[in-house]
Amino acid sequence: QKEVEQNSGPLSVPEGAIASLNCTYSDRGSQSFFWYRQYSGKSPELIMSIYSNGDKEDGRFTAQLNKASQYVSLLIRDSQPSDSATYLCAVTTSGSARQLTFGSGTQLTVLP
Amino acid sequence: DAGVIQSPRHEVTEMGQEVTLRCKPISGHDYLFWYRQTMMRGLELLIYFNNNVPIDDSGMPEDRFSAKMPNASFSTLKIQPSEPRDSAVYFCASQRDANTDTQYFGPGTRLTVL
Repeated sequence: QKEVEQNSGPLSVPEGAIASLNCTYSDRGSQSFFWYRQYSGKSPELIMSIYSNGDKEDGRFTAQLNKASQYVSLLIRDSQPSDSATYLCAVTTSGSARQLTFGSGTQLTVLP
Repeated sequence: DAGVIQSPRHEVTEMGQEVTLRCKPISGHDYLFWYRQTMMRGLELLIYFNNNVPIDDSGMPEDRFSAKMPNASFSTLKIQPSEPRDSAVYFCASQRDANTDTQYFGPGTRLTVL
């Protein structure tokens, strides 16, 4: 069983819609949670981090964390074609604040 | 700042050959990470350093892999001998310090072992 699970997609949404990306993790000791965006052929780029239960908003992005359910999500409002990328969920391992375990990623396509 | 620099960007080699990948982290960053990304296994942490000292190498797949960080501005990942299953994109990332969480990734080295 993978430690960080994501729907691989692909997920397609029309321009202007809300894209919802989900992630579950198995390590209850995980403390920090991240969303990285990776364009095709490029390197991952951090877009959101969240540490406490609830919502965290940054522009069009909202990260949601529910530690009891071991669930993290990313909402992208007013999706743009430039948001088309693979979104990687990453979680720190218990016992190490530096080691990240990545999910396999969800490929998002925003259709113009 | 130039960001994390990796070389070469592409490497094609034959099975059994030695491969050395290079990384220059962002100046002033205390942490350096080596990752490998494949379609099958996704993005995996191989090893990371803090202030040039290897902290955890449990992700290194086997003894054919080794990594060094002789100084704060340079790290290498060596594979000897290389095998076709080592074909992947290898990323280096750096992080400023323990009080920050952002890892900045380099452009990656795409390795193909024939």
